[in-house]
Amino acid sequence: EVQLVESGGGLVQPGRSLKLSCVASGFTFSNYGMNWIRQAPGKGLEWVAYISSGSSYIYYAETVKGRFTISRDNAKNTLYLQMTSLRSEDTALYYCARSLRVAYRSWDYWGQGVMVTVSS
Amino acid sequence: DIQMTQSPSFLSASVGDRVTINCKASQNINKYLDWYQQKLGEAPKLLIYNTNSLHTGIPSRFSGSGSGTDFTLTISSLQPEDVATYFCLQHNSGYTFGAGTKLELK
Repeated sequence: EVQLVESGGGLVQPGRSLKLSCVASGFTFSNYGMNWIRQAPGKGLEWVAYISSGSSYIYYAETVKGRFTISRDNAKNTLYLQMTSLRSEDTALYYCARSLRVAYRSWDYWGQGVMVTVSS
Repeated sequence: DIQMTQSPSFLSASVGDRVTINCKASQNINKYLDWYQQKLGEAPKLLIYNTNSLHTGIPSRFSGSGSGTDFTLTISSLQPEDVATYFCLQHNSGYTFGAGTKLELK
């Protein structure tokens, strides 16, 4: 069974940093591209970042480019999101999601999400 | 940026009904439109990708159609477990989500 479990969220002050993790199981992690997607309270979903299976291709939403870094450790089956210079508008539930192998811009499995609250 | 207009926002239907949900793109998105289902307190679940490809394990009562700017998700015979919010996602140019359709049982 495919499982994605996020962790690392919490309350953080504006301007500070936070690192999210997503541990994958039930599939060969190194074969799949991965994504971070977020949902602000009461708002719609927003794609944040993508990393290919071997980390050769990395893409970011304009809203986080230069502040967030996506990375992965295939030996540990873990996806990361390093978030710096956090702003109140980064407050959201952050999901990690697996890309389909046949259509990498579609996401077939999602974690339950981890909440990040940016507030003083 | 591409805008997605999803309708209706809210839908009430009976078990066994045929249900349709629509998404209209502000410009041509070719076939790059997915449909997701999200139940309260759960992560989104992929139903259909690239307009009409049924994701593995999804019941055949779900189907997708359309091209260019107009797309439709159809549930051929509504079941109680289909109560959820449904949203579309275009990924032809960047990513844009529809605002969602909340489906409830009448």
